[in-house]
Amino acid sequence: AQSVSQHNHHVILSEAASLELGCNYSYGGTVNLFWYVQYPGQHLQLLLKYFSGDPLVKGIKGFEAEFIKSKFSFNLRKPSVQWSDTAEYFCAVNEFSGNTPLVFGKGTRLSVIA
Amino acid sequence: DAGITQSPRHKVTETGTPVTLRCHQTENHRYMYWYRQDPGHGLRLIHYSYGVKDTDKGEVSDGYSVSRSKTEDFLLTLESATSSQTSVYFCAISESIQDRASDTQYFGPGTRLTVL
Repeated sequence: AQSVSQHNHHVILSEAASLELGCNYSYGGTVNLFWYVQYPGQHLQLLLKYFSGDPLVKGIKGFEAEFIKSKFSFNLRKPSVQWSDTAEYFCAVNEFSGNTPLVFGKGTRLSVIA
Repeated sequence: DAGITQSPRHKVTETGTPVTLRCHQTENHRYMYWYRQDPGHGLRLIHYSYGVKDTDKGEVSDGYSVSRSKTEDFLLTLESATSSQTSVYFCAISESIQDRASDTQYFGPGTRLTVL
């Protein structure tokens, strides 16, 4: 069975600091990878996704993620965070082929302080 | 935003009572999902549907049942609510591409359920 690990439960950064959130998955086959964001009081929104091609994926709001197959990792990055990036971030994975639902990590809460 | 609504948005109920949550979509997507979100657990899949009257269990299906009699509606029922089912419930949808689920899911606004 697939599983997703997000190493950081809560990250606190000052504005303009760089961000990297870790995500590792366990699955031997080809996967689709996702980062979702949930702003306070809101539903999940897709930030970016990877399913093939260039392992460096750019998403909305200046976020990017890099798929490193050898490390089973899909870390999320942003060079300079803003207060409005305060949210919870979820990494998710499903099998590339077949109708398998998403498996989510437990989430990382990001707090950006002025 | 994808056309997904959930009702009710908030509900408080008592242990032992039945509860039904509704997810309604206007996108005509084939696949629908119910998740629960709890602190420290992220989102966990309860049940999902891959078509009208076609459903399957997820990771945490015990105590829940679902029904899908129309493409646009996916109902989640707690037959006898327990305090451990206090949670935020999210519905999600994805479309069918070449007879398999699209890789991207779109989420509804959520239902906050409290079982006293």
